[in-house]
Amino acid sequence: AQTVTQSQPEMSVQEAETVTLSCTYDTSESDYYLFWYKQPPSRQMILVIRQEAYKQQNATENRFSVNFQKAAKSFSLKISDSQLGDAAMYFCAYRNPNTGNQFYFGTGTSLTVIP
Amino acid sequence: GAVVSQHPSRVICKSGTSVKIECRSLDFQATTMFWYRQFPKQSLMLMATSNEGSKATYEQGVEKDKFLINHASLTLSTLTVTSAHPEDSSFYICSARDWSSETQYFGPGTRLLVL
Repeated sequence: AQTVTQSQPEMSVQEAETVTLSCTYDTSESDYYLFWYKQPPSRQMILVIRQEAYKQQNATENRFSVNFQKAAKSFSLKISDSQLGDAAMYFCAYRNPNTGNQFYFGTGTSLTVIP
Repeated sequence: GAVVSQHPSRVICKSGTSVKIECRSLDFQATTMFWYRQFPKQSLMLMATSNEGSKATYEQGVEKDKFLINHASLTLSTLTVTSAHPEDSSFYICSARDWSSETQYFGPGTRLLVL
């Protein structure tokens, strides 16, 4: 199985500030997808952003952007202009369409937004 | 957008009984569904891959005779926890892969408590 590592169990950010969540992964594949999911207290998994490994350009979705470093196998998430509603668990995930399409998740980062 | 439902949302049962959890894709066909388990304050761990019309593929360490998976149609997969024990208490989440768009969607999860 692939491994996904999130080295920050907890992070906090002041409202309106920027925060970066780290993620590294291990794979020998060249074709795969990377994701950031948000899990609020309701436990529903919400897709934040997705990156295809073959794309060099970093994905962005409004206030959310990633820094994808394929050679370093690093995939960090930057949240700009943090809002109170951003507080949640954030999971980094890997998926390979050639080996079953299942997700492999990191251990998660709990993000607190300070008003 | 595409929706995946799970039923029940929460269930309490006595030790030794069996519990069935349903995962349905509501407006798309899902040839593949995945079952995950999430313990409190932990990540999602893949249990098995459910393929329509064929046997499920279980991850290492997951007992296939204890966690029975049936994927009888393109919109329904069921997970049956047989002879449940308190250590089976967890949050069970399914995801469904839309074969036409290659996108996966997560269900809202089922909280199982075994007394």
